[in-house]
Amino acid sequence: NAGVTQTPKFQVLKTGQSMTLQCAQDMNHEYMSWYRQDPGMGLRLIHYSVGAGITDQGEVPNGYNVSRSTTEDFPLRLLSAAPSQTSVYFCASSYGRGPSTDTQYFGPGTRLTVL
Amino acid sequence: KQEVTQIPAALSVPEGENLVLNCSFTDSAIYNLQWFRQDPGKGLTSLLLIQSSQREQTSGRLNASLDKSSGRSTLYIAASQPGDSATYLCAVKDSDNNNDMRFGAGTRLTVKP
Repeated sequence: NAGVTQTPKFQVLKTGQSMTLQCAQDMNHEYMSWYRQDPGMGLRLIHYSVGAGITDQGEVPNGYNVSRSTTEDFPLRLLSAAPSQTSVYFCASSYGRGPSTDTQYFGPGTRLTVL
Repeated sequence: KQEVTQIPAALSVPEGENLVLNCSFTDSAIYNLQWFRQDPGKGLTSLLLIQSSQREQTSGRLNASLDKSSGRSTLYIAASQPGDSATYLCAVKDSDNNNDMRFGAGTRLTVKP
């Protein structure tokens, strides 16, 4: 299994540009999520999905969109990039079928800089 | 709103020492608690998952305990090695919103040879 994969690894955007961060998992996990990690603040949940066709907002959803058309893929779209979105973005997945099957598997991250 | 705190922010110990990392949380009605390891420039790796009904979990040299009533968890690392150097993060899911995992800022551990 490749686990959770993310592309690209690095990205530089100009203010106002849009882009999509890709996330895929090959473990047949129902639950997928996106986090951002900023220095000194830990990780914060952006959006999550409990299955194909179902998404919901996390703690910091503004400026981001998601969709889940398949079990495997969960892309994160930045609509109009702002310098405040400079961060490291992590995708995670789990079986999500109860507290004992909730081990989270993380991707390697995408380091995004918005100028 | 659940808040997770990890103290200290950084810790440096000599190789071979047993050590304890601390995690505290404000709402005791939790779904589960996980400890993660993060190496520089890398993603997170889950070390231990403790369900709300459990008091501790063990994996190799690692032991994590959970005390919901006091809002605390500890990660015990036995016989530390330089390879244990990393940032350790604690994360909590609440029982009334088990889709949202709240993270502490982490403890950066350095184990000196």
